[in-house]
Amino acid sequence: GENVEQHPSTLSVQEGDSAVIKCTYSDSASNYFPWYKQELGKRPQLIIDIRSNVGEKKDQRIAVTLNKTAKHFSLHITETQPEDSAVYFCAASINDYKLSFGAGTTVTVRA
Amino acid sequence: GAGVSQTPSNKVTEKGKYVELRCDPISGHTALYWYRQSLGQGPEFLIYFQGTGAADDSGLPNDRFFAVRPEGSVSTLKIQRTERGDSAVYLCASSTQQGGNEQFFGPGTRLTVL
Repeated sequence: GENVEQHPSTLSVQEGDSAVIKCTYSDSASNYFPWYKQELGKRPQLIIDIRSNVGEKKDQRIAVTLNKTAKHFSLHITETQPEDSAVYFCAASINDYKLSFGAGTTVTVRA
Repeated sequence: GAGVSQTPSNKVTEKGKYVELRCDPISGHTALYWYRQSLGQGPEFLIYFQGTGAADDSGLPNDRFFAVRPEGSVSTLKIQRTERGDSAVYLCASSTQQGGNEQFFGPGTRLTVL
C-alpha cells in the first residue's frame, strides 16, 4: 500500500518567517494530495490540496508544490503567525477516498 | 450547518468488552470514512462507505472490528473483545461523494481500553 513519510516531525519558527514541510510517497499512482491542520484536541481540517496534474497551488499564505518524478510534495507557509501553530499532516491517495497520512509535523510559531 | 458529530467523545472500557462508536455525517454526504489515530501519528484508514455499502474495508485490522451504515447516513463502528492496543482516537469523516472531495472530520471518540 501507499507509504507517506513526513519531515520534519517538529518545526519551530519565528513569527513572520516561513515554514516548509516535506512529504514523500511511495505509490506513483497517487493522484490526490491534501494537507490537514490539527490544533490541539481538535479535528483535522483541510487547508489545501493538490492533484497530480498540477505542479503548484497557492492560497494566500500557504502553497503546496508537487514533484511527481521525485514523488514528493511540500507545504509552504509564509509570514507565519501564532495561530499557525498546530500539527500539520500530509496525505496521499490513489483512489480519491483512502487517504494515507504522514506522521505529522508539530509547528510552533514563536512570538 | 452542523458538521460531523461523533458520540461518545470519550469511552473507557475494560479489556474484553464490546464497544460501539457512532458517527453522524454532514447531511447529504454520501461518502463516510472511519480512521484511527494513535498518539503522535497521522490518521490510519479503516473503512469507507458509499451510501449503505462498505466500498473498502481493507483497513480494518482484524475481524473484531466491524462497521455498518444501514440507512446511508449514521454509521456505527463496532469493536468486539477490545484489547489495550485498540486504545486510540477514532475519527469519522464524510464527503459529498468519492472523487477527491474534501473529507470533513468529526471531533473523534477517544477510546481507552484498560
